Amino acid sequence: QVHLVQSGAEVKKPGASVRLSCKASGYTLTSYYIHWVRQAPGQGLEWMGIIDPSTGGTTYSQKFQGRLAMTRDTSTSTVYMALSSLTSEDRAIYFCSRGRYSSGWYWIDTWGQGTLVTVSS
Amino acid sequence: SSELTQDPAVSVALGQTVRLTCQGDSLRLNYASWYQQRPGQAPELVLFGKNNRPAGIPDRFSGSYSGTTASLTVTGAQAEDEADYYCCSRDNTDDHWVFGGGTKLTVL
Repeated sequence: QVHLVQSGAEVKKPGASVRLSCKASGYTLTSYYIHWVRQAPGQGLEWMGIIDPSTGGTTYSQKFQGRLAMTRDTSTSTVYMALSSLTSEDRAIYFCSRGRYSSGWYWIDTWGQGTLVTVSS
Repeated sequence: SSELTQDPAVSVALGQTVRLTCQGDSLRLNYASWYQQRPGQAPELVLFGKNNRPAGIPDRFSGSYSGTTASLTVTGAQAEDEADYYCCSRDNTDDHWVFGGGTKLTVL
């Protein structure tokens, strides 16, 4: 069974950085892309970016360019998302999710449980 | 990057049919996927491609398209269908993905 298990909640001060992890199980990490999506309190889903675990190649939303980095460790089937220069606007639940592609269709079929990031002085 | 527009809130009587819509230029070239999110939970895929349901999703959920608008129809809405629904699509111009703002579905 496919699972994405995320790291625990984080509390950070403004200006700090945070690094979240997402461990995949039940499939080969390098076979599917991983997205990071966040959700601020009471708000909708916001796409942050995507990583191809087979190559390490990334595409980021322009909103996060310069302060977002996605990496992977294929030996542990884990993907990481680092966000720097945190502000109160970055307080959100961060989800990793598995991207799928077939027959010209794109979709996300599996989600992690989410990680709450709180930014507070 | 493109945008996807959804109605913020829609209500439906128990057992009746409701259509949720998602409008955006990226849908001219790519199908939308739809996600259900209940309070305090991660999103869950309910529809993808032209009209495909993952295993375990009831057949009362169906999809359709017209131009740049994708629709998710719930035929015979049940109390457990009350949730937020998000559409999502990939933008071929820049390989970015985008979510709609979400629709809060209330089952009366």
